[in-house]
Amino acid sequence: DGGITQSPKYLFRKEGQNVTLSCEQNLNHDAMYWYRQDPGQGLRLIYYSQIVNDFQKGDIAEGYSVSREKKESFPLTVTSAQKNPTAFYLCASSITGGSGNQPQHFGDGTRLSIL
Amino acid sequence: RKEVEQDPGPFNVPEGATVAFNCTYSNSASQSFFWYRQDCRKEPKLLMSVYSSGNEDGRFTAQLNRASQYISLLIRDSKLSDSATYLCVASNYGGSQGNLIFGKGTKLSVKP
Repeated sequence: DGGITQSPKYLFRKEGQNVTLSCEQNLNHDAMYWYRQDPGQGLRLIYYSQIVNDFQKGDIAEGYSVSREKKESFPLTVTSAQKNPTAFYLCASSITGGSGNQPQHFGDGTRLSIL
Repeated sequence: RKEVEQDPGPFNVPEGATVAFNCTYSNSASQSFFWYRQDCRKEPKLLMSVYSSGNEDGRFTAQLNRASQYISLLIRDSKLSDSATYLCVASNYGGSQGNLIFGKGTKLSVKP
């Protein structure tokens, strides 16, 4: 089945550690996105990529890094510089990016907690 | 800053009731609008797109009022399974910060 796969489902980070969240899609979508959701809050955009080998900062990029070496993959690294990483991380994709005419489809998320 | 504003609720309604949610958006250049549904501790799922002429999908009806910059979602004959948080979404046309702006959601609880 086509879709977006995020792994792991749950992740624990030790202080000072970098961790990487995986996001893979087989929908042949050009655009991919990473959001963070805190309890009772809306989605906040971390990074997005409209095309392979290109990505842009969102509203809360500090302490995070991404890469887009392949169309189907958009991993997110939560670095030790991110002092409050505990949240629900959601990856999404859309057919195209930038025009805003396409809905985004989400993976089932990764819950990150600090040990 | 471009925003999408929603009443957080909760809306507590009995089964079979009709319930309506509104949201407002600040970017007058927004071109596309959507409603998503998010269950507790799950990812958002696309419920429906919102078209200028209004559109209906079964028990769900979405309306767009560009002059007043608001979007509505009407749910008829509410089911227990409709209990969820409903996210209103507008495109950030011409924006540099991704292409969709999500509201914080309206929580619906349908009771027996």
